[in-house]
Amino acid sequence: QLVLTQSPSASASLGASVKLTCTLSSGHSTYAIAWHQQQPEKGPRFLMKLNIDGSHIRGDGIPDRFSGSSSGAERYLTISSLQSEDEAGYYCQTWGTGIRVFGGGTKLTVL
Amino acid sequence: QLQLQESGPGLVKPSETLSLTCTVSDGSFISTNYYWGWIRQPPGKGLEWIGSIYYSGSTYYNPSLKSRVTISVDTSKSQFSLKLSSVTAADTAVYYCARDYGGSGSYFESWGQGILVTVSS
Repeated sequence: QLVLTQSPSASASLGASVKLTCTLSSGHSTYAIAWHQQQPEKGPRFLMKLNIDGSHIRGDGIPDRFSGSSSGAERYLTISSLQSEDEAGYYCQTWGTGIRVFGGGTKLTVL
Repeated sequence: QLQLQESGPGLVKPSETLSLTCTVSDGSFISTNYYWGWIRQPPGKGLEWIGSIYYSGSTYYNPSLKSRVTISVDTSKSQFSLKLSSVTAADTAVYYCARDYGGSGSYFESWGQGILVTVSS
């Protein structure tokens, strides 16, 4: 079964960097994923598509402070130079034939 | 620039059918490059994919909702619609429509603002 696992919460200081993790279920370690951001009281926004080799394509207008990387079944989102508006929920999402799956989301607090 | 706009009733009674429509603003609706999806988010919870549709009418549904979901298209209006039958309070959520990238669909690259639907008598 295709499942994505995320830690429920993370925190980091203003101006620092943070690395969020999304883990693919066993047997699905070659899958690409997407990262989405959801600021409080807003709809989600597509951040990037992230491939198994770590290459990624950002959505329109997404700053290069947001980057992605991969290792095995883990997919990462790194946010550098944290700003207050980065405090948000971050969801990973993947897909197969006829199916789309979301991770449970990580709520990021900027201290 | 692409805009997706959800519309429909904000209140539905238990056991009735929830009906929503998404209007696509640019000319990409009839394209071989996209599917079009519905996603929902119960209050305080995460995102759940409901289903996706191609402009030709080909559909994929979340197995957990498949028995109650119908997604359809109206290409003349650049719209796609969601019907969810036999709703309960557990179906209370913000419902989003989104563009699902790729000829077979994959990731949601553009989202609507969402519409809150409450199931209550």
